Amino acid sequence: NAGVTQTPKFRVLKTGQSMTLLCAQDMNHEYMYWYRQDPGMGLRLIHYSVGEGTTAKGEVPDGYNVSRLKKQNFLLGLESAAPSQTSVYFCASAPGQGFAGELFFGEGSRLTVL
Amino acid sequence: KNQVEQSPQSLIILEGKNCTLQCNYTVSPFSNLRWYKQDTGRGPVSLTIMTFSENTKSNGRYTATLDADTKQSSLHITASQLSDSASYICVVSPPRGGNKLTFGTGTQLKVEL
Repeated sequence: NAGVTQTPKFRVLKTGQSMTLLCAQDMNHEYMYWYRQDPGMGLRLIHYSVGEGTTAKGEVPDGYNVSRLKKQNFLLGLESAAPSQTSVYFCASAPGQGFAGELFFGEGSRLTVL
Repeated sequence: KNQVEQSPQSLIILEGKNCTLQCNYTVSPFSNLRWYKQDTGRGPVSLTIMTFSENTKSNGRYTATLDADTKQSSLHITASQLSDSASYICVVSPPRGGNKLTFGTGTQLKVEL
């Protein structure tokens, strides 16, 4: 079982470039999330989705957009990358109803913006 | 603002020794508290979960405790192994299945020979 798969795993961008991170889960989970993890800081929620076709802002949404066109996929877009967006990005999913706080994380995507 | 603070920030112990990691939180009320283990270069994985009414929960060599009165939790690792080297993250969930979890910054544990 693949679980949560993120692509790409590594990416280097120049300031102003755009890119999309793809998250795919095969557990039929309703909820999906994008977090960023920076040194000395806890995981911070960027955007999340509680079902196909829905998205909502998290704690640090500025500079990011998301889409959930299919239940199994959650895309994170950077329209104009900035050095402050250099980070490790984690996608996570959860079953939905009866959610008890357990998230299933992907392996992470390391993004460097020069 | 809801916060979760962990201590120590980092810790080095010898293989076979025990250690205890601390988590203090201000999230109130909460539905449950989890400890996650994050290996280097990997995503976090849930180790234990406790509801506000539970005091202790074990998972093999990992034992988590919770004191809801003082808003403190600890994770005790017994007979440490090299594979325990990882970051341990305390996460508090809001009530009613809310989505906005509060993450601690983690304790980086290194187990050496």
